[in-house]
Amino acid sequence: GQQVMQIPQYQHVQEGEDFTTYCNSSTTLSNIQWYKQRPGGHPVFLIQLVKSGEVKKQKRLTFQFGEAKKNSSLHITATQTTDVGTYFCAENQGGKLIFGQGTELSVKP
Amino acid sequence: SQTIHQWPATLVQPVGSPLSLECTVEGTSNPNLYWYRQAAGRGLQLLFYSVGIGQISSEVPQNLSASRPQDRQFILSSKKLLLSDSGFYLCAWSVQKTEAFFGQGTRLTVV
Repeated sequence: GQQVMQIPQYQHVQEGEDFTTYCNSSTTLSNIQWYKQRPGGHPVFLIQLVKSGEVKKQKRLTFQFGEAKKNSSLHITATQTTDVGTYFCAENQGGKLIFGQGTELSVKP
Repeated sequence: SQTIHQWPATLVQPVGSPLSLECTVEGTSNPNLYWYRQAAGRGLQLLFYSVGIGQISSEVPQNLSASRPQDRQFILSSKKLLLSDSGFYLCAWSVQKTEAFFGQGTRLTVV
């Protein structure tokens, strides 16, 4: 079945550095969703992108959807220790919700 | 408002014993329902999803089964647990292609 590939698997940064995680698909995505899972917690929805080339911002987080709707990225500017967790992208196919492998972010104070 | 209940939070079961995890949703009708498993430090593996009562789609051949006896109830079961069934089990719901909401999860340890 269709898979969403996410890289990198792990990212260790110093507090204040930027962070980016990428999702790629071999086929066109109908939408892309982003979730954050804190250590020991459950995934929490962050945002959904549906339009080609769409860019959305939430404070220090910037989400992009590629022009061909085959890739997406999440960029965090000036990371803080509260950003620690695993970030997942996902495609909701209207019945089937498929997640990327996730990027685990650790932030060193 | 919508809420999702998943229980128990933790469970320790011996190998060969049965399993039943229940998930219920409140405040919405005809949701899509999902069961995921997450191994330690790993991603979310979709086990089952359901778009309606009695409609179950299985994603991965395994020792587990799912049922949806009511619109807002989703049950994950096993007749005989294996050591490899240990993990963090998450139930979730969504409406069509909108955001998904997750339960608190059940941490299952098979010993």
